[in-house]
Amino acid sequence: QSALTQPASVSGSPGQSITISCTGTGSDVGGYSYVSWYQHHPGKAPKVMIYEVSNRPSGVPDRFSGSKSGNTASLTISGLQAEDEADYYCTSYTTSRRLWVFGGGTKLTVL
Amino acid sequence: EVQLVESGGGLIQPGGSLRLSCIVSGFTVRSNYMAWVRQAPGKGLEWVSVIYSDSSDSKTYYADSVKGRFTISRDNSKNTLYLQLNSLRDEDTAVYYCARVSGGWYFDYWGQGTLVSVSS
Repeated sequence: QSALTQPASVSGSPGQSITISCTGTGSDVGGYSYVSWYQHHPGKAPKVMIYEVSNRPSGVPDRFSGSKSGNTASLTISGLQAEDEADYYCTSYTTSRRLWVFGGGTKLTVL
Repeated sequence: EVQLVESGGGLIQPGGSLRLSCIVSGFTVRSNYMAWVRQAPGKGLEWVSVIYSDSSDSKTYYADSVKGRFTISRDNSKNTLYLQLNSLRDEDTAVYYCARVSGGWYFDYWGQGTLVSVSS
């Protein structure tokens, strides 16, 4: 069982917006601004899409945005494109013994 | 250009040992925090271990699931990160990724991964 809770799957049509939630506790998501999101295409290296809750690395389209409220972080993808179809993972830094906790991953299907 | 290239994975029997390597180019491992993250078949990502930079005393930390069995290290002269895997169990079967830890406690560069299969 993963430390952070994500929906197993979400789907949307091209051009639509979707939001993936990531729920933790006050010891991780709620306690720090160190939530990051990763896009993972099977067989490839994961790619960071959002860091520190809402920051986008250079090269990541502004269709990707992040936010946090309490113990729940969210990744929103607007203007869905076929290439967005992938697995998405959230992670949070935590000062518990685990240091980093991941969500179980969400499979995004672009219909 | 930044590149991280893992190697050393393979099929190993339970109780066996393996050493994974991650050759880095584009930055120096000694000046960065470096980590290993794994993904078991059909499962999500799991942080395994981290080694801090030389300036942070090269401290090492491990997930409870591997503590006492895995050892993270680096060779600064080869700009290479290692993960020694001992007393391997079936549940250690996974793709192992090396990654750089950025200042905001996130993983900004990743390798392509190397597969470790533990089976009799």
